[in-house]
Parts: sequence; structure tokens; C-alpha cells
Amino acid sequence: DTGVSQDPRHKITKRGQNVTFRCDPISEHNRLYWYRQTLGQGPEFLTYFQNEAQLEKSRLLSDRFSAERPKGSFSTLEIQRTEQGDSAMYLCASSSGRTDRYNEQFFGPGTRLTVL
Amino acid sequence: GENVEQHPSTLSVQEGDSAVIKCTYSDSASNYFPWYKQELGKRPQLIIDIRSNVGEKKDQRIAVTLNKTAKHFSLHITETQPEDSAVYFCAATLRSGGYQKVTFGTGTKLQVIP
Repeated sequence: DTGVSQDPRHKITKRGQNVTFRCDPISEHNRLYWYRQTLGQGPEFLTYFQNEAQLEKSRLLSDRFSAERPKGSFSTLEIQRTEQGDSAMYLCASSSGRTDRYNEQFFGPGTRLTVL
Repeated sequence: GENVEQHPSTLSVQEGDSAVIKCTYSDSASNYFPWYKQELGKRPQLIIDIRSNVGEKKDQRIAVTLNKTAKHFSLHITETQPEDSAVYFCAATLRSGGYQKVTFGTGTKLQVIP
């Protein structure tokens, strides 16, 4: 499968624990996005990477959240001291970033987080 | 920032009928409008998109219209089939260089009744 992959697909944790999710974008894509989706809502933008640089962060991303893309390939999203309100689907998307066209974002299958 | 409103939140149609989903956006600088289909438990997938310099685009049974003046765009599905049942999201995109800031609507759950 050459699409966007995410790991794990499901994560159940207790309140206060730290969790880390991984996203592997399509290999030639240099743009990577993280979104959060709650039930009945559309994806909400969290953060964006161009190669290894984190260029945009939503105000939804509190200081408990941190994202990295150390080598410009895969990315990780860490949530520290999880709260029940963090329960959601975390989606990753990537795009080719060509400046001469509008770039379709390809989504991964998501990581469903449940905080007990 | 951009705000996208989507209506209706749920839509039931008989198989073979048409379905229309409407969205409005607030930022006149948004210039690209994709529509995504998300089946239960699956990832969003792009089904059609339209650029701000185009008023209408059609792909088989799916069409999208854009009214830039009114900041309004719509998805039209004709001859609906049960496999069209899913949640549909509109989005407004502000493109600056290679970066795209995408704001999604809240989704429309479409049910096609056989």
C-alpha cells in the first residue's frame, strides 16, 4: 500500500498518560498535515509541516501537544497528560506541494484515541 | 479565520433521486473547494474539487457549482445509488504558494434508501 499510513489505528489510554502517534506520508509528498476529527464533525486542522519544518499550528494545539517530522519523512504527534476531551480520531494527510497546481490532500486511516 | 457552514446535516433520498448539499464560506480569499466522501470507519477521500476561476465542474453523476460572489458552493449527486451513502464534507482552501489551509464543513450524512 503506497498511501498514507498511520500507527496505531486504535489507542485506549488512561487520563494523564502520554500517547504518541505516527504518520507515514506518501513517499514523494513533502507536505504533511495533522487533523483532529470528533464524532459528527469535519476534520479540524492541528498543524502543518513542509519537509521537516513545522510552519503552522492551530490554537487548538495546546502545549500538551507536540508534533515532529525530524527527517522530513514520517511524523509523530505526542499528547502529554491526556484528558478525556482529547478522545477523537487523529488524521494525517499529505500532499505533493507542487506550487503550480492545487494539491489534493491524501488522508491516512486515522488513529482513534479513547481516553478513559 | 475561515468559517465553513454546511447544510443539511442529514439527508435521506430514494435511490435514483438527486441529492444536493450546500456550503458557504466566509473568506473571499479561499480559492479551492474540494469535496470529500467518508464512509463509516474509513478515511476521507476526495470525490470532486473546483477552483475559484471555474463556476461548475462535472464528473459523471457528481457535479459541483461555485458562486464566488455569494461565497456559496454546492455538491449535486444525480441518480443516487446505495453506495453513495456516506458522510460528505465540503472544504474551503486558502492556497498560498504550495501551502494549503483547509477548513472543513461539519459534514452531511447522506442515506440512499433502496
